[in-house]
Amino acid sequence: AQSVTQLDSHVSVSEGTPVLLRCNYSSSYSPSLFWYVQHPNKGLQLLLKYTSAATLVKGINGFEAEFKKSETSFHLTKPSAHMSDAAEYFCVVSDYGSGNTGKLIFGQGTTLQVKP
Amino acid sequence: EAQVTQNPRYLITVTGKKLTVTCSQNMNHEYMSWYRQDPGLGLRQIYYSMNVEVTDKGDVPEGYKVSRKEKRNFPLILESPSPNQTSLYFCASSLGGEITGELFFGEGSRLTVL
Repeated sequence: AQSVTQLDSHVSVSEGTPVLLRCNYSSSYSPSLFWYVQHPNKGLQLLLKYTSAATLVKGINGFEAEFKKSETSFHLTKPSAHMSDAAEYFCVVSDYGSGNTGKLIFGQGTTLQVKP
Repeated sequence: EAQVTQNPRYLITVTGKKLTVTCSQNMNHEYMSWYRQDPGLGLRQIYYSMNVEVTDKGDVPEGYKVSRKEKRNFPLILESPSPNQTSLYFCASSLGGEITGELFFGEGSRLTVL
C-alpha cells in the first residue's frame, strides 16, 4: 500500500536561506507525487506535481522537488526563503496502480517558519 | 474568479444539534470531495462524489452524510454532531478527480462541537 512520511513536523529558516522539506514515500507502483501549500486560514493550493516525466519538477513561487526512486524521496526545496513562504506544506502520493483508483494520501504536514 | 466557497467558515455548536456545511464551486467540476484536517494526521477524506447523484465513502465517513443534487453544490451534513467531530473541514473540487492530483480547495470551515 502507498504511504507518505514527512520527516519534519516543523522547519525554521531565516529569510534568504535555503529551504528543504523532506518527504519519503512508499509505493508498489510508479507513483504520482505532489506538494501542496496551505497558508494561514486558507485552503490548500497545488505547488507542484511529479507524474513520471522529468525527475526535477518546478513549481510555483520558486519551489522545486526532485523525485529520487532509489531513495524513495520527493524533497521540496527553494534556494532562498521569503517571509511569504511561511505556511504548512503537505506531501501527497497517489495510490494509482493495479486495482487502485488514484486516491490521494496526504502526509502529516510540515510547518515552515521563516524568521526575518 | 474560479473558486470553491464554503460556509460557514467558523461554527460552534452543541452535541446533537444537526448542522450543514455548504460547498459550492463555479468551475463546472464533476468531482467534489470533503476532508477533515486534524493536527498530526494530515487530511483524511470523508466522502467524495464523481458526479451528480454519485457519492461514495472515503476513509472516515462515520457520522457524516452528503448529497449531490447539482453539479456545483456538495453539502456536508452532520445529523448529530459529537465532540470528536471538532475539526477543520475542507471541500475540494477537481476536473478529473483525485487521480490527477489537481484539487481546488475551499478556505476551510472550523467546527467546534461542545
